[in-house]
Amino acid sequence: NAGVTQTPKFRILKIGQSMTLQCTQDMNHNYMYWYRQDPGMGLKLIYYSVGAGITDKGEVPNGYNVSRSTTEDFPLRLELAAPSQTSVYFCASSQTFPPRETQYFGPGTRLLVL
Amino acid sequence: AQKVTQAQTEISVVEKEDVTLDCVYETRDTTYYLFWYKQPPSGELVFLIRRNSFDEQNEISGRYSWNFQKSTSSFNFTITASQVVDSAVYFCALSDPTSGTYKYIFGTGTRLKVLA
Repeated sequence: NAGVTQTPKFRILKIGQSMTLQCTQDMNHNYMYWYRQDPGMGLKLIYYSVGAGITDKGEVPNGYNVSRSTTEDFPLRLELAAPSQTSVYFCASSQTFPPRETQYFGPGTRLLVL
Repeated sequence: AQKVTQAQTEISVVEKEDVTLDCVYETRDTTYYLFWYKQPPSGELVFLIRRNSFDEQNEISGRYSWNFQKSTSSFNFTITASQVVDSAVYFCALSDPTSGTYKYIFGTGTRLKVLA
């Protein structure tokens, strides 16, 4: 069971570069989320999606963009990387509206912006 | 506003000791859910338990147990006879299904070190 997968596991970016963090789930979940985890902190929601073609902002969306063209994939785009975006990024999914349904997390992508 | 406080930043115990991780939450809502997640050194987040606000029964799963007390707004997690494999960061989280948002409010986590 693959569950939620994320690529890459680790990436170093220079300031101003762009990149896409990939997230795929094979559980046919409708809801998907992107969180960031800063050192010593809990997770904060960046964006979420309730289904293909529908996305919305979370707590900390500035500097990021998302798209949801399929049920399985929910990529996160950083257009102009900044040191403040150094963090660990987690993708998650759930079948129905949370929190009645538990969110399941991917392994995370560690991003360092220098 | 909703808030989750995990006051214990780091706890160290010797293997086979019992350990309790504290979680105190704040919410004005009567309907909400509480969660515990484990983050081992490998980095992934592993779901441990979900509890809704109307179910105050304590839960036991093997060496893990959870004590939910609405009167003190606490949802504490106890590991009995701790093992080295229990070493991880543990997060408590709160979610309100009526808020119209989809986010969990996470605590800052408690790092548990179990020494052999």
